[in-house]
Amino acid sequence: AQSVSQHNHHVILSEAASLELGCNYSYGGTVNLFWYVQYPGQHLQLLLKYFSGDPLVKGIKGFEAEFIKSKFSFNLRKPSVQWSDTAEYFCAVNTGRRALTFGSGTRLQVQP
Amino acid sequence: EPEVTQTPSHQVTQMGQEVILRCVPISNHLYFYWYRQILGQKVEFLVSFYNNEISEKSEIFDDQFSVERPDGSNFTLKIRSTKLEDSAMYFCASSVRDRRGSDEQYFGPGTRLTVT
Repeated sequence: AQSVSQHNHHVILSEAASLELGCNYSYGGTVNLFWYVQYPGQHLQLLLKYFSGDPLVKGIKGFEAEFIKSKFSFNLRKPSVQWSDTAEYFCAVNTGRRALTFGSGTRLQVQP
Repeated sequence: EPEVTQTPSHQVTQMGQEVILRCVPISNHLYFYWYRQILGQKVEFLVSFYNNEISEKSEIFDDQFSVERPDGSNFTLKIRSTKLEDSAMYFCASSVRDRRGSDEQYFGPGTRLTVT
């Protein structure tokens, strides 16, 4: 069965700092990869997804992620975070079957 | 923008009681899902539903759980005899059909189930 690891449980940054959140998965076959965000008091929303093509994926709100197949990684990046990016971020994977396997989440706190 | 809705937002029940969690998926979506998140743990897949039958389920989804689409709009999760360890946030999600499974799943706000 596949699994997803998110290395950073809690990240604190100042506004304008750069962000990189790690995500690694374990599965040897074809995968679809997702990053979801949950803002305080809101539901899970899709930030971006990768299923084929260009391994550098751009999402909403200036986020991007790079799929590196050899490293089984799908790290999320943003060059300059804002206070409004404070949220919990979840990496997820599915393997053609639709069930998503989630990582444990990373809580991002951006200080003004 | 269309969204998935869930009721109630919080349900408190006694151990051994039956609960039904309700979801209204986005109207043109064809796949429906339930996930749960126990406090401090990962979001876990429970079940997916398509064309009026279960298409996939996890080990968590045992005989005490059932799902139903009783009418054209609602999608329900029933827990027959709740246990303390069923206390969790339950998320409903829906998606349009995509043959590769890469479609976006739209999540509802969740129902917090507390079993006492």
